[in-house]
Amino acid sequence: EAQVTQNPRYLITVTGKKLTVTCSQNMNHEYMSWYRQDPGLGLRQIYYSMNVEVTDKGDVPEGYKVSRKEKRNFPLILESPSPNQTSLYFCASSLWGQSTDTQYFGPGTRLTVL
Amino acid sequence: GIQVEQSPPDLILQEGANSTLRCNFSDSVNNLQWFHQNPWGQLINLFYIPSGTKQNGRLSATTVATERYSLLYISSSQTTDSGVYFCAVAGQYSGAGSYQLTFGKGTKLSVIP
Repeated sequence: EAQVTQNPRYLITVTGKKLTVTCSQNMNHEYMSWYRQDPGLGLRQIYYSMNVEVTDKGDVPEGYKVSRKEKRNFPLILESPSPNQTSLYFCASSLWGQSTDTQYFGPGTRLTVL
Repeated sequence: GIQVEQSPPDLILQEGANSTLRCNFSDSVNNLQWFHQNPWGQLINLFYIPSGTKQNGRLSATTVATERYSLLYISSSQTTDSGVYFCAVAGQYSGAGSYQLTFGKGTKLSVIP
């Protein structure tokens, strides 16, 4: 089944403890991205990647890192999480990263930083 | 950037009723997608519909690109249709490097038995 997977689905952590949220897609997509969803603010893009080893900032990149060493994986790294990073996170992918492509979203990761 | 407005913000339906959700956007688009966010937070792709009409079971969607709006129709609603429905667009002039979907604020649908 073609899908985007994320792990973990739920995570409660404490301020300053490094964490990684994994994202993987099995559709051989070139383009992957991360969004966060917050009440009243909607979904906002954090980082995106057009291809392996090519990443760039979205609208809200502060406090996050990403890497794209393989086409299928695009992990989101929080080096020193803070409470304002409590949010619902989505990974997404599309074939080429063109605006005409359908974007497919993962199931979401609900993160709470205490 | 492009603006997306959805209406109504909230909708309560009796099971079996029909509904129409609307999405207005402020500029020409290359991409318009409808999503359903279920009560567990998952975003489910419903339609990719930058123009024209599509149907999938009890759901259908129409986008009139020249008038900058899209409609999502839900017929014979069921309790499992509850959740938030989002319209998301990518502008016609988005370069590949800046491709992201701009989401509306959503319509929260509650279907009661």
